[in-house]
Amino acid sequence: EAGVAQSPRYKIIEKRQSVAFWCNPISGHATLYWYQQILGQGPKLLIQFQNNGVVDDSQLPKDRFSAERLKGVDSTLKIQPAKLEDSAVYLCASSPTGGRAGELFFGEGSRLTVL
Amino acid sequence: SQELEQSPQSLIVQEGKNLTINCTSSKTLYGLYWYKQKYGEGLIFLMMLQKGGEEKSHEKITAKLDEKKQQSSLHITASQPSHAGIYLCGADRDSGGGADGLTFGKGTHLIIQP
Repeated sequence: EAGVAQSPRYKIIEKRQSVAFWCNPISGHATLYWYQQILGQGPKLLIQFQNNGVVDDSQLPKDRFSAERLKGVDSTLKIQPAKLEDSAVYLCASSPTGGRAGELFFGEGSRLTVL
Repeated sequence: SQELEQSPQSLIVQEGKNLTINCTSSKTLYGLYWYKQKYGEGLIFLMMLQKGGEEKSHEKITAKLDEKKQQSSLHITASQPSHAGIYLCGADRDSGGGADGLTFGKGTHLIIQP
């Protein structure tokens, strides 16, 4: 079974530029999450989708971050314009409906460096 | 919101030694989950604890949830190089559990010295 796919793995941009990250969850997983992991910190939930609907985006900085999951499968997270403090690893995770509680399947992450 | 504090922040142990990592919550835990992260990679689920006093084991890793459901410990017996990585505890963001996104602690960096 293929895991959660993310791209790009690494991205370096200058502040005020924009960037987009893509995630393809495990086939059949209805729930998709985007997490932000700043160096030395635990992952912080940015947004959670159930199919193509948003379940929780309370911690998403909506003035600069946006995310979509148009067909209920893959998802894109965009940052525009980027700030220095957005340097982090952006992790995508998915989980199946009725799966084991708390078991999320994570991708390897997209590492963003903002200069 | 749920806050999880892990200790120690980092740990260096000699191969073959035992070790314990702790996770303390500011609120009662409805579900406590342990994950492992290798450097530069995503998180891998280890185990889940939901009941006060519950203990689970997987190979040489044992996790416990205290009776009050506010503290969990993860114990590794006879550590091996493959145990190296970052161990994170996670908890349900809401009391509903299930598919809700998790809140994570900052992690404990474990280094195994040969």
